[in-house]
Amino acid sequence: GAGVSQSPSNKVTEKGKDVELRCDPISGHTALYWYRQSLGQGLEFLIYFQGNSAPDKSGLPSDRFSAERTGGSVSTLTIQRTQQEDSAVYLCASRSQGAGSYNEQFFGPGTRLTVL
Amino acid sequence: RKEVEQDPGPFNVPEGATVAFNCTYSNSASQSFFWYRQDCRKEPKLLMSVYSSGNEDGRFTAQLNRASQYISLLIRDSKLSDSATYLCVVIDRGSTLGRLYFGRGTQLTVWP
Repeated sequence: GAGVSQSPSNKVTEKGKDVELRCDPISGHTALYWYRQSLGQGLEFLIYFQGNSAPDKSGLPSDRFSAERTGGSVSTLTIQRTQQEDSAVYLCASRSQGAGSYNEQFFGPGTRLTVL
Repeated sequence: RKEVEQDPGPFNVPEGATVAFNCTYSNSASQSFFWYRQDCRKEPKLLMSVYSSGNEDGRFTAQLNRASQYISLLIRDSKLSDSATYLCVVIDRGSTLGRLYFGRGTQLTVWP
């Protein structure tokens, strides 16, 4: 079946512009995560959605970052007034949390953001 | 202190070698444990879960020591294709939101 998809795959923007990154999770997965990964660095947790619960936003680095998940499916990560330090690969992942699940988290291919 | 700490690496080993990675976690209430693999410029993918009794999948063996809050991954007979970054992952018991905690990763290069 289809995996997690993200768009765009690459985004180049100018400092100060706003960007929107999209994630389509695996159908039926109730949990959706956003991470970012700078070159040669580990995964940095940003935000997590689980069903209708309030999202865990504890990883968002500043108020320029926000995310929404509409209808419990597609999610959009928005970065306002981008800065050069926002340049990274933004990874989305989804997970099923049904009984008996292995809690495997499936990642999308990521969006490579470059802020000039 | 970070939730999950891993060997800093990098590890550079010849083909056929046995290599072991270690990982420690800070929350004794942690419930589930995994190893993920990330190839260069690719997304992470699940390698294997880690069970209390230890588990093996071909050349890969994972061990969990709850008393020491320690996880390990052993790779026997290393192949060139094993070159990647290996991420230790922990999920906390009682975490209603099911957040996963990732280690920074240990880089492995297997040379011919």
